Amino acid sequence: AQKITQTQPGMFVQEKEAVTLDCTYDTSDQSYGLFWYKQPSSGEMIFLIYQGSYDEQNATEGRYSLNFQKARKSANLVISASQLGDSAMYFCAMREGTRGGGSNYKLTFGKGTLLTVNP
Amino acid sequence: DTAVSQTPKYLVTQMGNDKSIKCEQNLGHDTMYWYKQDSKKFLKIMFSYNNKELIINETVPNRFSPKSPDKAHLNLHINSLELGDSAVYFCASSQDLRTGRRYGYTFGSGTRLTVV
Repeated sequence: AQKITQTQPGMFVQEKEAVTLDCTYDTSDQSYGLFWYKQPSSGEMIFLIYQGSYDEQNATEGRYSLNFQKARKSANLVISASQLGDSAMYFCAMREGTRGGGSNYKLTFGKGTLLTVNP
Repeated sequence: DTAVSQTPKYLVTQMGNDKSIKCEQNLGHDTMYWYKQDSKKFLKIMFSYNNKELIINETVPNRFSPKSPDKAHLNLHINSLELGDSAVYFCASSQDLRTGRRYGYTFGSGTRLTVV
């Protein structure tokens, strides 16, 4: 079963508008972390934002915010005031708890959403 | 001052050859990873090492062998390359969360492997 689901293969947004990229996750762990990464056409993986399962406040980093709804197991990324440079692939990822030892910190990724910002 | 560096960035080789990809991190992180990104952009973990010890091996063919000579280096050697091995391979590192850092996954720029 998929642990991270990104239901939007592609999204379009007008420059300067806000956009929400959806992410739902599945875990039975109490302690976990949720990440969003951006991959532009140049290929590098750029960390955007992190939300811990015990964090009470939604994470924000500049124009990025994470709409964390724990009961619904969703961690949507909101990009405000979209810019042309935001056009990229966006990945949601989860790190589950330390079951089995403290070093099992792999990230499990969703399939990504390709965001296109139109001028 | 690159945090996680991979070499080479591009690798084109013939089927049946053996090749290596090198990765080095200067962040002082404890854990290093190899991820494979397929043609549909899906990222899947292959291996992780913590302080030179293999921690995760995710049903990867035996032709793939990671080697970690020290905490800062994790190399990937691939024997008898096949067409299906063509992908982008990412090295990454992270801080041991027991030290209190909540996150710290840093990725290298990727190695695009093309097997012809």
